[in-house]
Amino acid sequence: GAVVSQHPSWVICKSGTSVKIECRSLDFQATTMFWYRQFPKQSLMLMATSNEGSKATYEQGVEKDKFLINHASLTLSTLTVTSAHPEDSSFYICSGRRDPDYEQYFGPGTRLTVT
Amino acid sequence: GQSLEQPSEVTAVEGAIVQINCTYQTSGFYGLSWYQQHDGGAPTFLSYNALDGLEETGRFSSFLSRSDSYGYLLLQELQMKDSASYFCAGATGFQKLVFGTGTRLLVSP
Repeated sequence: GAVVSQHPSWVICKSGTSVKIECRSLDFQATTMFWYRQFPKQSLMLMATSNEGSKATYEQGVEKDKFLINHASLTLSTLTVTSAHPEDSSFYICSGRRDPDYEQYFGPGTRLTVT
Repeated sequence: GQSLEQPSEVTAVEGAIVQINCTYQTSGFYGLSWYQQHDGGAPTFLSYNALDGLEETGRFSSFLSRSDSYGYLLLQELQMKDSASYFCAGATGFQKLVFGTGTRLLVSP
């Protein structure tokens, strides 16, 4: 149990366009979902935390108007990268956590390439 | 700020034992987790230390010393499939994780 999926697994888009990434908890209700970004050979950096029905909490330095996060249900969160630029190219990973557990269950990631 | 430092790379041979260290500077970590990540894949949970001491899960053990702001992951009976990146992660309030710099483990025959 505790499976998280992401769609798409990879996407290529042109600079200036927007891209939406979906994160779904398949067999549990994710009270909290997290979005991370990982550049090649680097660590995971938390971008934002979202609770179902609430506005996301963004980490310092993450532009909330550029990275729009919606957590409309206990099984779905979306990350929209608006007006993407080549420097936004990265591996985006989501995770879900269910109350009262501590453990986060990670999705397989989405590789975004902006040309 | 919060930071967790790890060696960038560790090499070992099959069947050996390897220890991956994690030193941290922070205030208010509730515990230390360890994750494994293969290239292009998702991080998978290995262990969590809420208290000081050793936690053992099969071939993997993890240790935490809060007084020393230090922890380690011990991998025994190494296998080729253990070649991956390993991250320690500090658990903060609001169930957030702060990931360490990561250690790339290379296991050779």
